[in-house]
Amino acid sequence: DAGVIQSPRHEVTEMGQEVTLRCKPISGHNSLFWYRQTMMRGLELLIYFNNNVPIDDSGMPEDRFSAKMPNASFSTLKIQPSEPRDSAVYFCASSLSSGSPRDTQYFGPGTRLTVL
Amino acid sequence: GENVEQHPSTLSVQEGDSAVIKCTYSDSASNYFPWYKQELGKRPQLIIDIRSNVGEKKDQRIAVTLNKTAKHFSLHITETQPEDSAVYFCAAMDTGRRALTFGSGTRLQVQP
Repeated sequence: DAGVIQSPRHEVTEMGQEVTLRCKPISGHNSLFWYRQTMMRGLELLIYFNNNVPIDDSGMPEDRFSAKMPNASFSTLKIQPSEPRDSAVYFCASSLSSGSPRDTQYFGPGTRLTVL
Repeated sequence: GENVEQHPSTLSVQEGDSAVIKCTYSDSASNYFPWYKQELGKRPQLIIDIRSNVGEKKDQRIAVTLNKTAKHFSLHITETQPEDSAVYFCAAMDTGRRALTFGSGTRLQVQP
């Protein structure tokens, strides 16, 4: 298995532009998580899905952020419009569990986003 | 919700020495405590975890202890090697959100 796949690996954009980050979880995993990592705030959970359904989005910073999971093998995190303070590394992670996130979470390689 | 405090933020040890990283948590119902290692520019990777029905777990040079009464858990690395140099994150299950809350990380530097 290739593990969790994220694209792009690096994204540089200008303030005000729309950014879409993509994630493919490990096949057979039922839970998918989006995290943001910065020096100041550490590793923050933005949103997670169980069986493609958003369960907790209380970590999404504001309305400019949205996430979808149209099927079991694909999820997107969109920022529109982007701002310089959104610059961070965004990780996607997945786990087996279908009802609880207690199972081991496997992280993708991350997307380094820079908003100028 | 869960709040996880991690100390120290940086730790420098000599190769062969032991390293200890400590975390406290606030949710007394938390029952799952994983530790992740993140090398520079890489993804976090699970190195060991412990569930609340045990007080200690060991895997070769790595061990984790849990004190549920005091609500703290620790990572112990013995016989440290330069390849142990990384940032280590503790985490605890937020039973309300049913998701992990991570500590702020400890940058471990093992001096050869």
